[in-house]
Amino acid sequence: NAGVTQTPKFRVLKTGQSMTLLCAQDMNHEYMYWYRQDPGMGLRLIHYSVGEGTTAKGEVPDGYNVSRLKKQNFLLGLESAAPSQTSVYFCASSTGTQYFGPGTRLLVL
Amino acid sequence: AQSVTQPDIHITVSEGASLELRCNYSYGATPYLFWYVQSPGQGLQLLLKYFSGDTLVQGIKGFEAEFKRSQSSFNLRKPSVHWSDAAEYFCAVGSRANQAGTALIFGKGTTLSVSS
Repeated sequence: NAGVTQTPKFRVLKTGQSMTLLCAQDMNHEYMYWYRQDPGMGLRLIHYSVGEGTTAKGEVPDGYNVSRLKKQNFLLGLESAAPSQTSVYFCASSTGTQYFGPGTRLLVL
Repeated sequence: AQSVTQPDIHITVSEGASLELRCNYSYGATPYLFWYVQSPGQGLQLLLKYFSGDTLVQGIKGFEAEFKRSQSSFNLRKPSVHWSDAAEYFCAVGSRANQAGTALIFGKGTTLSVSS
């Protein structure tokens, strides 16, 4: 099992550009989450999904969209990137205990 | 509202000394509690979790934590710290109402440095 994987590992964007972060899990988990981690802030929930075809907003959803078309994949989209979205993004999947991916470092200039 | 407080932003411990990282939570009922560790540039690894039963839980790498309902605390301990334990540690709380489907609330983390 690969567990939870994230692509890309690192990306630099210019303000206004768009991109999609991909999270994939091979554990057949129903629940998946996107967090962002900023220095001194811990991890904050952006969006989550309780099953294929469903998504919900978390604590800091503004500027992000998500889709869960397949059970194993959870996509996080930035339609128009802003410098405030510079962060490390973590995906997790869960069946009671959350398992995290390795993270995506995003720099928005 | 649920919240998690880790009072210590940074702790330095000598190698071989004991360690205790503090975690306090605010929640209306008995929560699910977790400790994660993050090494620089890495993702989060689960150290241990408390769902129910014995309030002293054992985890990986020689860590343990004790759930104290009266103090709303879930402190992490290790009797003898190794240099490889230097990392950032996160306490998190999850809702008991919907265990599998509810996201975690994280504390802001405690950075552990180990001196020789």
